[in-house]
Amino acid sequence: QQPVQSPQAVILREGEDAVINCSSSKALYSVHWYRQKHGEAPIFLMILLKGGEQKGHDKISASFNEKKQQSSLYLTASQLSYSGTYFCGTEGGGGSNYKLTFGKGTLLTVNP
Amino acid sequence: DTGVSQNPRHKITKRGQNVTFRCDPISEHNRLYWYRQTLGQGPEFLTYFQNEAQLEKSRLLSDRFSAERPKGSFSTLEIQRTEQGDSAMYLCASSRTGGRYGYTFGSGTRLTVV
Repeated sequence: QQPVQSPQAVILREGEDAVINCSSSKALYSVHWYRQKHGEAPIFLMILLKGGEQKGHDKISASFNEKKQQSSLYLTASQLSYSGTYFCGTEGGGGSNYKLTFGKGTLLTVNP
Repeated sequence: DTGVSQNPRHKITKRGQNVTFRCDPISEHNRLYWYRQTLGQGPEFLTYFQNEAQLEKSRLLSDRFSAERPKGSFSTLEIQRTEQGDSAMYLCASSRTGGRYGYTFGSGTRLTVV
């Protein structure tokens, strides 16, 4: 089943923070986050595995709560380059699946 | 690492014609995935391979769609008797095995059925 992302869209000014959420009705083994700019391929940001971990690099981090079947992506001190559509991709089941089901995306616009 | 390469970038075809797309994954990646993306939507799973074995095919995929990955290298996706509803961006991605790794997507093939 397709994960649900919220919000659908968010507009920020440079330097502001944002949180994007991803929820699933099924048990999750892993969650991926990708960013896609208009007309380009999705770019991998990070993967979180079952175990409730948190990851981050630079000013982008994410958490995964397997009990709540939710993941959140945190963007702090946003930059113009952060603009794009963010997708979460979820892997369900016992971890033998390897395929991802993507949400509909969250459009992030960062203005000067 | 030359990335994932997809050809052609754009394809315009008449309804009822057959089309074939090619994907060349990153050479060290054993897993290869095909997704379809329409405007305003996330990528939708079509099928995936581990080496040359096709391990799963979406139930949404009709019999008009077929994919191959001979010798576990490049892959082709064929759509027979195209319909207007097939118009979309077709994305190929590859990933390593031996754990959980992110996908590297190609730039896609945009199909327009007229």
